Amino acid sequence: DGGITQSPKYLFRKEGQNVTLSCEQNLNHDAMYWYRQDPGQGLRLIYYSQIVNDFQKGDIAEGYSVSREKKESFPLTVTSAQKNPTAFYLCASSTGLDPSETQYFGPGTRLLVL
Amino acid sequence: KNQVEQSPQSLIILEGKNCTLQCNYTVSPFSNLRWYKQDTGRGPVSLTIMTFSENTKSNGRYTATLDADTKQSSLHITASQLSDSASYICVVPSGGYQKVTFGTGTKLQVIP
Repeated sequence: DGGITQSPKYLFRKEGQNVTLSCEQNLNHDAMYWYRQDPGQGLRLIYYSQIVNDFQKGDIAEGYSVSREKKESFPLTVTSAQKNPTAFYLCASSTGLDPSETQYFGPGTRLLVL
Repeated sequence: KNQVEQSPQSLIILEGKNCTLQCNYTVSPFSNLRWYKQDTGRGPVSLTIMTFSENTKSNGRYTATLDADTKQSSLHITASQLSDSASYICVVPSGGYQKVTFGTGTKLQVIP
């Protein structure tokens, strides 16, 4: 059963804490993305990766970090430098970076600050 | 500045009725426009993609139209069902992944 998974579904962060959101895909896609969704706003791109061991900053990369050690995995770390981390985080993947290609999204992780 | 604006922000309709959602964009250069459906608390799912040369495209009860001259697209839902309750997002890329612009979406609620 192919798809893209994210975990956990809900995540709570304490002040000064780094947290990592997991994203895994078994679609054999080269490109992967992380978006942030806030109420009343469109999705905003945090980071994207075209290939293993390579990734690029999106529009709002400050306070976030990523890694792409395996084709299937693209974890996102929300660092303590991100002062307003409460949001719904979506991971996506596509065959390549052509804008006409469909992006397949995971179910999302909701991050809340304690 | 590249923008994608959607209207209305929210909409409530009775089950079985039709509705039309609007998307206006100022993205340039234009290559394609995509509509996504996002159920509450879930990731978006692609409904349809419109390229520059296409005027109308259907996917079941969903019909998308595109007017590249006026930079407008619409999504028409026929004979709505309770399962159509979701947010519908219009997306327009503009030459690179760092420049993909998402609309804020229209939240549709279908009531019995």
